[in-house]
Amino acid sequence: AQSVTQPDIHITVSEGASLELRCNYSYGATPYLFWYVQSPGQGLQLLLKYFSGDTLVQGIKGFEAEFKRSQSSFNLRKPSVHWSDAAEYFCAVVRANFGNEKLTFGTGTRLTIIP
Amino acid sequence: SQTIHQWPATLVQPVGSPLSLECTVEGTSNPNLYWYRQAAGRGLQLLFYSVGIGQISSEVPQNLSASRPQDRQFILSSKKLLLSDSGFYLCAWSGQETQYFGPGTRLLVL
Repeated sequence: AQSVTQPDIHITVSEGASLELRCNYSYGATPYLFWYVQSPGQGLQLLLKYFSGDTLVQGIKGFEAEFKRSQSSFNLRKPSVHWSDAAEYFCAVVRANFGNEKLTFGTGTRLTIIP
Repeated sequence: SQTIHQWPATLVQPVGSPLSLECTVEGTSNPNLYWYRQAAGRGLQLLFYSVGIGQISSEVPQNLSASRPQDRQFILSSKKLLLSDSGFYLCAWSGQETQYFGPGTRLLVL
């Protein structure tokens, strides 16, 4: 069965500092990979996704992620965080061409920004 | 463009009372629809998904049920709520291999 691991439950960074959130997956097939962000009390918003091609994908709000097949990782990065980036971040994976298959989510990483 | 709505936004219900949460999608036809629950401090748990009208798949045995009476309407129900049903309920639809989420309903069972 597929699984997603986000090893960092909570990360605190200073405003303006760089950010990297880790995501590792275990999957027996070609995966589609996603990052979502959830502000308190809100739904999940799609930040970016990887299906194929260039392994470095750009998303909204200045985020990017890099797919590394050899490491089974899909880490999320941002060069300079803003206070508004404080939220919970979820990595998710599904089998390619998933149709009605289900996403598998990581348990999330809560990001706190300090001035 | 597509939008997804959830109603109500917040709900406080006594134990043993019934529940009905509604999710509607606009701007697309025949979407796959999903209900998730997010308990406090925990990740997302898929409860139900639907690939068409009247077609419901349940992921975990529980006190809840789902129905899809119309193409773009997905309803989550319970006959008698339990304290453990408290949480944040998210509806999602999928298109082009991607799931998009609604704003959620916060349910507090007292």
